[in-house]
Amino acid sequence: EDQVTQSPEALRLQEGESSSLNCSYTVSGLRGLFWYRQDPGKGPEFLFTLYSAGEEKEKERLKATLTKKESFLHITAPKPEDSATYLCAAPLGNTPLVFGKGTRLSVIA
Amino acid sequence: NAGVMQNPRHLVRRRGQEARLRCSPMKGHSHVYWYRQLPEEGLKFMVYLQKENIIDESGMPKERFSAEFPKEGPSILRIQQVVRGDSAAYFCASSPSGATEAFFGQGTRLTVV
Repeated sequence: EDQVTQSPEALRLQEGESSSLNCSYTVSGLRGLFWYRQDPGKGPEFLFTLYSAGEEKEKERLKATLTKKESFLHITAPKPEDSATYLCAAPLGNTPLVFGKGTRLSVIA
Repeated sequence: NAGVMQNPRHLVRRRGQEARLRCSPMKGHSHVYWYRQLPEEGLKFMVYLQKENIIDESGMPKERFSAEFPKEGPSILRIQQVVRGDSAAYFCASSPSGATEAFFGQGTRLTVV
């Protein structure tokens, strides 16, 4: 069954402590892997799209990578303002974006 | 270029009433998607529409829920005879085509009392 799974569910980091979030997928014929950030009470904010294994994209302290089975969102030297829920998603069949349950990131000063 | 606009931001309805949620996509976007999010849960796909057509409604409950995206005007998600379990945040997203990233609005928070 095609699906998107994220881990860990929650992550607590000290400011400056780098880490990675995982998104594993079982999708035949991947048509893109999407990362979003969601702050409480707001809509998801688009971060990155990755289309092929080996692809990497960066934005400030965030870098997204993609393999044939999973994607990682690396956070380098995070700051408290990076605290949010990070969501990954992939198209499945006709459904444009099927989301994982997200990783709640807390960065403590 | 304004983002995806949803209104109202907050909506309170009594059980049995109708709720109408509106979504104006970004300029140039003809694909619209509706998602529902319950507290502490992920985003659940509901329906995918392109101008005047429903492309995928596999996530829509079979009863009481309907969606449209007319040639002119916003997309509408309509919930008839609301029940307490319909209380959630409803998000709309849009994209220029079905194969690209989607941009989300700020959501409508529906509370059924």
